[in-house]
Amino acid sequence: EAAVTQSPRNKVAVTGGKVTLSCNQTNNHNNMYWYRQDTGHGLRLIHYSYGAGSTEKGDIPDGYKASRPSQENFSLILELATPSQTSVYFCASGGTGENTLYFGAGTRLSVL
Amino acid sequence: GMPVEQNPPALSLYEGAESGLRCNFSTTMKGVQWFQQNHRGRLITLFYLAQGTKENGRLKSTFNSKERYSTLHIKDAQLEDSGTYFCAVNSGTYQRFGTGTKLQVVP
Repeated sequence: EAAVTQSPRNKVAVTGGKVTLSCNQTNNHNNMYWYRQDTGHGLRLIHYSYGAGSTEKGDIPDGYKASRPSQENFSLILELATPSQTSVYFCASGGTGENTLYFGAGTRLSVL
Repeated sequence: GMPVEQNPPALSLYEGAESGLRCNFSTTMKGVQWFQQNHRGRLITLFYLAQGTKENGRLKSTFNSKERYSTLHIKDAQLEDSGTYFCAVNSGTYQRFGTGTKLQVVP
């Protein structure tokens, strides 16, 4: 069974603080993704990666950085968190070719 | 980015009924993946299609790249089918999601 694990599952942050969301996958997939989900918008892609050392901008990258230090790990970094970044964040992994996505359980972030 | 439209936005079905959900996109895509998001927020993969039709139990999905749409058909709806259904279209670079169809199955 494919496994994508996100941490933390819930986070409360203060405006202007730094937040790091972590994602680990044991699928040996090359591709990893960070999405956010807000009411009325579905899931929107923030950053993605093709493999260790690679990060690419998705549809809504502003205010976010990403880091892919290894095949297994992909982090999303909010250097200066803002209330507009309050959302549910999902990490996913996918292979090349068919690229079926496997999602983690999500991280609920509140920025106060 | 190019929009992915899902219709209807919301749907209510009686147990045992059937209906279809539609996903429209504006450019040629390499594939589509359908998800159910349950009441706990988990995204559950239903299908990935690069072409044609796939069937799994009470669910059936088709993908028509040329006509730029995909459908998900649910028959004999059950209470546990309630949730939000998303399509995600694969451009070859990454998958872009539609805004979802919220399905409620009632007794």
